[in-house]
Amino acid sequence: DAGVTQSPTHLIKTRGQQVTLRCSPKSGHDTVSWYQQALGQGPQFIFQYYEEEERQRGNFPDRFSGHQFPNYSSELNVNALLLGDSALYLCASTLGTAGYTFGSGTRLTVV
Amino acid sequence: LAKTTQPISMDSYEGQEVNITCSHNNIATNDYITWYQQFPSQGPRFIIQGYKTKVTNEVASLFIPADRKSSTLSLPRVSLSDTAVYYCLVGEQRSSASKIIFGSGTRLSIRP
Repeated sequence: DAGVTQSPTHLIKTRGQQVTLRCSPKSGHDTVSWYQQALGQGPQFIFQYYEEEERQRGNFPDRFSGHQFPNYSSELNVNALLLGDSALYLCASTLGTAGYTFGSGTRLTVV
Repeated sequence: LAKTTQPISMDSYEGQEVNITCSHNNIATNDYITWYQQFPSQGPRFIIQGYKTKVTNEVASLFIPADRKSSTLSLPRVSLSDTAVYYCLVGEQRSSASKIIFGSGTRLSIRP
């Protein structure tokens, strides 16, 4: 049973560019959450998707947007990249009251 | 969501029992206590969850006193591979709508 799959694993972008990160949830999970984790810090909640809609959002600017597809997979888009957006981006999925399963993340470097 | 406080770092040796305590003075009646483990460049991994008293699984034990204002994660006979960051989280387990919020965690270092 595959867990949460994220792609790509590593990415280098230039300041001002746009990036799309992808996540396939664990089989049977219908809710996807995205987190940003800077080096040495705990993961910070970006937003959560359920039934193809953003259900909750953390304290992130509108440059961060997302999407959930009918098969429950999800994308995280970041526009107008800043150097400070460099981080590990984590996707987590869950179903009902089950615990969260995290992927291994996408390491984004903005230069 | 209740705020949690845990030590920034801890050191121990192989074969020892390690106890990491987390304070959550404002825990609500419906809140559960959950611990995650994270290795470098990996996503957090669920360790254990509890509501009150004691919970034990194949990896760890979780002790929660009657007032539930704190909890202690106990790792028996640690090994070098237990070196990781451990996060204590408090929140409702009512549905998948319950987002989880991480603090800074406890960086545990195990020495030979």
